[in-house]
Amino acid sequence: NAGVMQNPRHLVRRRGQEARLRCSPMKGHSHVYWYRQLPEEGLKFMVYLQKENIIDESGMPKERFSAEFPKEGPSILRIQQVVRGDSAAYFCASSPDRSLEKLFFGSGTQLSVL
Amino acid sequence: AQSVTQLDSQVPVFEEAPVELRCNYSSSVSVYLFWYVQYPNQGLQLLLKYLSGSTLVESINGFEAEFNKSQTSFHLRKPSVHISDTAEYFCAAVGAAGNKLTFGGGTRVLVKP
Repeated sequence: NAGVMQNPRHLVRRRGQEARLRCSPMKGHSHVYWYRQLPEEGLKFMVYLQKENIIDESGMPKERFSAEFPKEGPSILRIQQVVRGDSAAYFCASSPDRSLEKLFFGSGTQLSVL
Repeated sequence: AQSVTQLDSQVPVFEEAPVELRCNYSSSVSVYLFWYVQYPNQGLQLLLKYLSGSTLVESINGFEAEFNKSQTSFHLRKPSVHISDTAEYFCAAVGAAGNKLTFGGGTRVLVKP
């Protein structure tokens, strides 16, 4: 059973481009969480999704950021028109249910905006 | 809203010495507490967790943490560290009815020979 898979591992974008980050949860996990880790800071919650539904997006910036978790395929975190302040490590975690006791994290995507 | 404070951003420690990483959380009726470890260039791995029951929880690699409700703390300790314990450690909390973890700012542990 592979762990939570995130790709790409590193992503470089120029200001104004789009960034698409992918997360394949562990087998049997239907709950996905996205967190962002800014330099020298802890992880900050962004969004919580369950297959085809956004449950809690209270941590998502109001503009340029969106997330989806379709019935088939990975969860996608999409950042449009990236700015330098978007440079961070983005972590995905998955769980078989909403209890958070069995949460597993991926290795993250390091986004660098030039 | 839940908040988690890790008082020490960096803790240098010599090999085989003890270490304590402090974590305090905002009071809640019921709370679950976690410690995660992040080795260089890797994702987070669960170290240990407190859900209920015994207030002292242990990990398989010698770490332990004690839930102290009166002091709203969940400090992490290891009596004798190894070089391989060099990593960043994150404390996290969630209310029993919550659906997201709140993380502390992290404590970077550097074990020196």
